[in-house]
Amino acid sequence: EPEVTQTPSHQVTQMGQEVILRCVPISNHLYFYWYRQILGQKVEFLVSFYNNEISEKSEIFDDQFSVERPDGSNFTLKIRSTKLEDSAMYFCASSVGQGIYYEQYFGPGTRLTVT
Amino acid sequence: AQSVTQPDIHITVSEGASLELRCNYSYGATPYLFWYVQSPGQGLQLLLKYFSGDTLVQGIKGFEAEFKRSQSSFNLRKPSVHWSDAAEYFCAVGPMNKLVFGAGTILRVKS
Repeated sequence: EPEVTQTPSHQVTQMGQEVILRCVPISNHLYFYWYRQILGQKVEFLVSFYNNEISEKSEIFDDQFSVERPDGSNFTLKIRSTKLEDSAMYFCASSVGQGIYYEQYFGPGTRLTVT
Repeated sequence: AQSVTQPDIHITVSEGASLELRCNYSYGATPYLFWYVQSPGQGLQLLLKYFSGDTLVQGIKGFEAEFKRSQSSFNLRKPSVHWSDAAEYFCAVGPMNKLVFGAGTILRVKS
């Protein structure tokens, strides 16, 4: 069964460094998402992406964050200058369509630790 | 604003016992409600969803959930828990392009 994959599974970085989290969505999916979960807190929506554009973003997704689909398969989340509070599990998801009948399929997550 | 509350951070049940995980939501319109499960090292997997119609919905792995509008609840149930059900369970609400999740409930199953 097709699945969303994410790399790396765990990333450790120093404060102020740039980090890129990578996701490979399911191949025929058109909508892509990033969520994050700070340890002990809720899973939070960050951004949705369609047709090479951000379609929606949360207040968390500030100028430090960017997303890109650099080729036909990868979907990346870049954090330009990491802060301690960016430490979290980051989940990528994808869906065929966007609407109540289209399920989001989630990857296993990347645990980002900022020291 | 949309929000989801899962009051139980951890629940421990014996194998073969019944299970109910609680979820309360706040949503301005007709809610779209979901339950996801995450096993260690795995992504979030959709167990079931409610959009409209019958308030008792069946999902995968023998799970079901009941939507109660009067109580703003969408509790997840399973009549007999298996050891493989040990995982973290998330309730979520909202349109499909912007899910709002609860904090999750960790289920432990004891033999």
